Amino acid sequence: KQEVTQIPAALSVPEGENLVLNCSFTDSAIYNLQWFRQDPGKGLTSLLLIQSSQREQTSGRLNASLDKSSGRSTLYIAASQPGDSATYLCAVYGQNFVFGPGTRLSVLP
Amino acid sequence: GAGVSQSPSNKVTEKGKDVELRCDPISGHTALYWYRQSLGQGLEFLIYFQGNSAPDKSGLPSDRFSAERTGGSVSTLTIQRTQQEDSAVYLCASSLVFSVGLAGGPFNEQFFGPGTRLTVL
Repeated sequence: KQEVTQIPAALSVPEGENLVLNCSFTDSAIYNLQWFRQDPGKGLTSLLLIQSSQREQTSGRLNASLDKSSGRSTLYIAASQPGDSATYLCAVYGQNFVFGPGTRLSVLP
Repeated sequence: GAGVSQSPSNKVTEKGKDVELRCDPISGHTALYWYRQSLGQGLEFLIYFQGNSAPDKSGLPSDRFSAERTGGSVSTLTIQRTQQEDSAVYLCASSLVFSVGLAGGPFNEQFFGPGTRLTVL
């Protein structure tokens, strides 16, 4: 059974810092991995999707990498802003989608 | 274009009553997913529809839960005889699904609706 974990559970940083969020999964037989953000009381917003054949994807200040063999993905956020404050979730797709518990990020002005 | 929509946004019901939650996916998306997010918990997969294939119901927690997708578009999640532990936010997502080749597997980026907050008293 696929299990997904995310470290850290919560993170508080001052504005402008670069930061890394981690996602680990136990079964490397996945087709893709997707990163989302969730704002309080709202649904999920897709950030990046990495296919299993890819190693990274970039969108603006976000960069996600995937090391399928070691069961790890990282989301790198450059020059963080208060508007980046949210919960970040990763999800892996193999037989079905399995989500991690999320990292709650606070960027302080 | 319009995103995924869900209705109602909030539903309060009494224990034992049946409820229906609705999801309108993005037009043209062949796949539709239902999830449940309980307070302080991660997302729990419930059911997955893809085209005309039989749905993947492996995540439904009990036989009180069922879902339909009519005409390959709108979906309804029904919870019968609701219990207090059913209280959660129910999220719907849709995606296009297509193959990116032998090495890449299916491409199915999910887009989520705003959710329905269900409270069972």
